Amino acid sequence: SQQGEEDPQALSIQEGENATMNCSYKTSINNLQWYRQNSGRGLVHLILIRSNEREKHSGRLRVTLDTSKKSSSLLITASRAADTASYFCATEGSYNTDKLIFGTGTRLQVFP
Amino acid sequence: EPEVTQTPSHQVTQMGQEVILRCVPISNHLYFYWYRQILGQKVEFLVSFYNNEISEKSEIFDDQFSVERPDGSNFTLKIRSTKLEDSAMYFCASIKDRDYEQYFGPGTRLTVT
Repeated sequence: SQQGEEDPQALSIQEGENATMNCSYKTSINNLQWYRQNSGRGLVHLILIRSNEREKHSGRLRVTLDTSKKSSSLLITASRAADTASYFCATEGSYNTDKLIFGTGTRLQVFP
Repeated sequence: EPEVTQTPSHQVTQMGQEVILRCVPISNHLYFYWYRQILGQKVEFLVSFYNNEISEKSEIFDDQFSVERPDGSNFTLKIRSTKLEDSAMYFCASIKDRDYEQYFGPGTRLTVT
């Protein structure tokens, strides 16, 4: 079964620095989505990238997708203390399924 | 901006009791989902629902679980006889079509004592 795995598991940076999180998965996908979760709260949708796309931008977020390596990365530029949260990738499989398979997440701490 | 809503935000129940978790998906969405997240663990898929029937379910979604869309707006998850290990955050999600963004509600924290 496909499974998303993020690395690093935890990341600590200073405000203003960039944060890069990586995600790997195992099977063919329709799309890959990134979410943010503040401690104990809901999942906020950040960005969706489809299997035929290689890069996507949204504000300070940049997502890449390499389907040959079955991997994706999320870059947050000029980070802020408010970006402190857990970040998850989730994949929608391409074979007769629309459920999302979530990764284990990266805990990002941004120090002011 | 339309959003998925869930009630209650927190439910405490005793083992063996039935609970119903409620969700109102985004109004023009067609596919509906329940996921759960045990504290400190990853988000797990439970069930998907389309065209008034279950389209896919995980092995977690056993006979104790059921889903229903009783009217045009609500989507419910029922757990018939709760167990301690059902304690988790339960998220509802919806999408307008396959290969689109899946939007999540704020979650219901279920505590089984």
